[in-house]
Amino acid sequence: GESVGLHLPTLSVQEGDNSIINCAYSNSASDYFIWYKQESGKGPQFIIDIRSNMDKRQGQRVTVLLNKTVKHLSLQIAATQPGDSAVYFCAEKAGNQFYFGTGTSLTVIP
Amino acid sequence: GAVVSQHPSRVICKSGTSVKIECRSLDFQATTMFWYRQFPKQSLMLMATSNEGSKATYEQGVEKDKFLINHASLTLSTLTVTSAHPEDSSFYICSAWTSGGYEQYFGPGTRLTVT
Repeated sequence: GESVGLHLPTLSVQEGDNSIINCAYSNSASDYFIWYKQESGKGPQFIIDIRSNMDKRQGQRVTVLLNKTVKHLSLQIAATQPGDSAVYFCAEKAGNQFYFGTGTSLTVIP
Repeated sequence: GAVVSQHPSRVICKSGTSVKIECRSLDFQATTMFWYRQFPKQSLMLMATSNEGSKATYEQGVEKDKFLINHASLTLSTLTVTSAHPEDSSFYICSAWTSGGYEQYFGPGTRLTVT
């Protein structure tokens, strides 16, 4: 049958607060993980990545945490700003296969 | 990071006509390009995977004869929506990836409206 897109969960945060977006991944063979940001009407943009031999990686205002035991990935955004409002989704790579999470719609309240 | 372009960014066509969308990797050679469609407030839906010089692999439920994909070179893939209908109206996004590489690089998307 025809596949149907999944409706996105939403998260609202106050400007200046920290945001945490979670992702459960499926393939224990995945060795590379990425967080993308997608603004309305645009293509996804790379935010940060992490390899499976790490459990934490920090960027500018963003941190990705990887828990391989429970197959969980999270994105933390510090001091969330209105420009952070977007859809965020995770991706995992196992060999030549990519799997994408459904995404979370983040709304920043001024 | 690598740059992927799509053309056109927006297109309006009449029902029954065909429209072609181009996806180009501007500064690297992509062995694989992916085509996605996305409805408002929904997640990306993978339509097909195309490897340069090979036939595309379509996801279940995606009509091969309706969504024609050509990946003739390492920098260009095209998606042609044939005999378009209003229900084909959507946001189409491509991404490019190189074998042995890591992330997919996404294009900016093409908004298709079929009237």
